[in-house]
Amino acid sequence: QSVLTQPPSASGTPGQRVTISCSGSSSNIGSNTVNWYQQLPGTAPKLLIYSNNQRPSGVPDRFSGSKSGTSASLAIGGLQSEDEADYYCATWDDRLNGPVFGGGTKLTVL
Amino acid sequence: EVQLVESGGGLVQPGGSLRLSCSASGFSFSNYAMHWVRQAPGKGLEHLSFVSSDGGTTYYADFVKGRFTISRDNSKNMLYLQMSSLRTEDTAVYYCVNGNNYGSRTFDIWGRGTMVLVSS
Repeated sequence: QSVLTQPPSASGTPGQRVTISCSGSSSNIGSNTVNWYQQLPGTAPKLLIYSNNQRPSGVPDRFSGSKSGTSASLAIGGLQSEDEADYYCATWDDRLNGPVFGGGTKLTVL
Repeated sequence: EVQLVESGGGLVQPGGSLRLSCSASGFSFSNYAMHWVRQAPGKGLEHLSFVSSDGGTTYYADFVKGRFTISRDNSKNMLYLQMSSLRTEDTAVYYCVNGNNYGSRTFDIWGRGTMVLVSS
C-alpha cells in the first residue's frame, strides 16, 4: 500500500476540468511540499508540478497544483486527449526519512 | 543535454544477483544526490534508494534494505545499484533519477529505465 492515497482512476471529456486528489499525513504532505509527475504510456515519468503549485518550464498553465493540510490536488483544465496518462503525487516523509509516492491515478479522456 | 542512461537489466533467477548502472551526462554529477525508482508491470512508482553527492549517505526503502546496495563513482559519472537475493516481486523497470533544477527532492531528470525480470 502506498503512503500517499490517490484515486485509481479519473476521467473527463475534452475541454473539461478534472481534479486528482492526493491524501497523506502530518509526516509527509503536512510538513513537506508536493510534486506531481505525469507518465504517458510507455514512457518515463515527467515532472509536472513542483513545490505544491509551481510549473517547470514547458508545462502548460492548464496544469495547476494546490495543497491544504495533509492533502494535495492536481487540476487539469481544458482537458485534451494527450493528457491521457498516469499521474503520481510525491513528497518527502519525515518519519521514513525518504521520498514517497502515491499509488497513481489513471486519467482517461473520454 | 542532461541525460541519464540505465543499463544492466535482464533476466535473473530468484535468489540471484544483478548490478544496474546509470551513466550521467550534461551536468555536474558529483554535485547531486542520485536516486533509484522502480515500477513493476502495471503498478505504480516505488522509491528504492538514494545516495548523497559524495556517496557518504545512503537511504534504502525497507523492502530492499539488506538486499540492495547503492553506490556511485563520481570520477566516471556513474551510479550503481547492486541487487542480490532477488525475488519475483523485484521484477520491474528500474529508473535512475536526479533532482537537478528544483532541489534534490524533486525528480526532474529520469532515465528511460532498464527492465529486470526475476523468473525461473
